[in-house]
Parts: sequence; structure tokens; C-alpha cells
Amino acid sequence: AQTVTQSQPEMSVQEAETVTLSCTYDTSESNYYLFWYKQPPSRQMILVIRQEAYKQQNATENRFSVNFQKAAKSFSLKISDSQLGDTAMYFCACTRDDKIIFGKGTRLHILP
Amino acid sequence: EPEVTQTPSHQVTQMGQEVILRCVPISNHLYFYWYRQILGQKVEFLVSFYNNEISEKSEIFDDQFSVERPDGSNFTLKIRSTKLEDSAMYFCASSVTGRRLTYEQYFGPGTRLTVT
Repeated sequence: AQTVTQSQPEMSVQEAETVTLSCTYDTSESNYYLFWYKQPPSRQMILVIRQEAYKQQNATENRFSVNFQKAAKSFSLKISDSQLGDTAMYFCACTRDDKIIFGKGTRLHILP
Repeated sequence: EPEVTQTPSHQVTQMGQEVILRCVPISNHLYFYWYRQILGQKVEFLVSFYNNEISEKSEIFDDQFSVERPDGSNFTLKIRSTKLEDSAMYFCASSVTGRRLTYEQYFGPGTRLTVT
């Protein structure tokens, strides 16, 4: 079965610091997509960043970037210059066929 | 920017009652999905829908669940006889295409279902 593993249930960092959230996944598909979703207390799912597996270049979106290691099946999220508004649950996810498989999430606290 | 909308935002129902959760996907999207998130747990796939039929469903999606696209805009999830364990956040999502293409699912804000 396809799985997405987030080994850090909870993390805390000081505002303005850089934080990295870890994710590993397992898939038998040759082409797939990886995502990081942010879920604030409102519980809405907000797409943070997306990576297409056939692209070697790591995706970046402003302060958010990923380290995609395809051979190792690793997909970590780096948040630079963290802000209080980054406090949320972060889910790593991977496509399988038409659906998205989510990890259990990392709860991130940004401390003032 | 177009977005997926869901109504109601919060639904409270008694055990055994039927509920219908409604979603309006983005207008040019062709693939529709329902996901569920029990409080404190991960988001789980329920069902995908394309061309007016279910394309895939999970083991969670048993006979108590059904989906429908009753008109050109709405996409609904019906739970026939709710159970306490159906209490969860239900997310609708839509995408322009399915797999192997640009592939991005847009999620709605969710409907919080509370079964008492």
C-alpha cells in the first residue's frame, strides 16, 4: 500500500528562523506529484507547494521550498524566515492514480 | 480566483438521520472528489467522480454513502443513516484533469459534520 510518512508530529521554532519538515513516501508509480498542504485552525486545506516527480528541480514558492530526493523518496519542506501566520498543521501528500494520499501531519508552532 | 465552495460549513445531525453535503466545484473542472478528516487524524480519500460516475472509492465509502452531480454545478455527498463515527470534516475537491497531466486538486473549505 502506498504510504506517506511524516516523522515529526510536532515542532516549534522561533519567528524568523528556518524550519524543515520531513516527509518520506512510498510509491510504485513512475510519474506522480507531491504536495505540501497547510491546515490552519480553520481546518481549510491550503496548497503550499507542489512538485512533479519527473522534474529534477526543486519547487519554490516565496519562503517555501522543497528538497526532493527521488531515489530516497524523500520530500522535505523548508520554511524560511518563519512567520506567526505559518503556525498550522502541515500535511505531506502524494498522488496515487487520481487521488491524493496524505501523511498524518506535522503540527508547527511559530513562537514570537 | 475561482474556488471550490461547500455548504453548509457546519452540520449537526442526529444519529440515523440522512445528511447531504453540497459542493460547487470550479466551473471548468471535470474530476470531483470527497475526502474525510476525523478530528486529529489525517485526511482520507473517500471517492472520485468523473463523467457522471464513480471512478474510484475507498473502503470507507460503503453503501451508506452516495455521490451525485444533480445538475451542471453541484456535487453532493449523501450519508443515508449517519453514525457517530461519521463525525468529521468533509472536504470536496476538484481538478481540471485526472492523473498524468497538470494535476492539481483544489480543495473546498470543508463541512464539519457532527453526529450526536
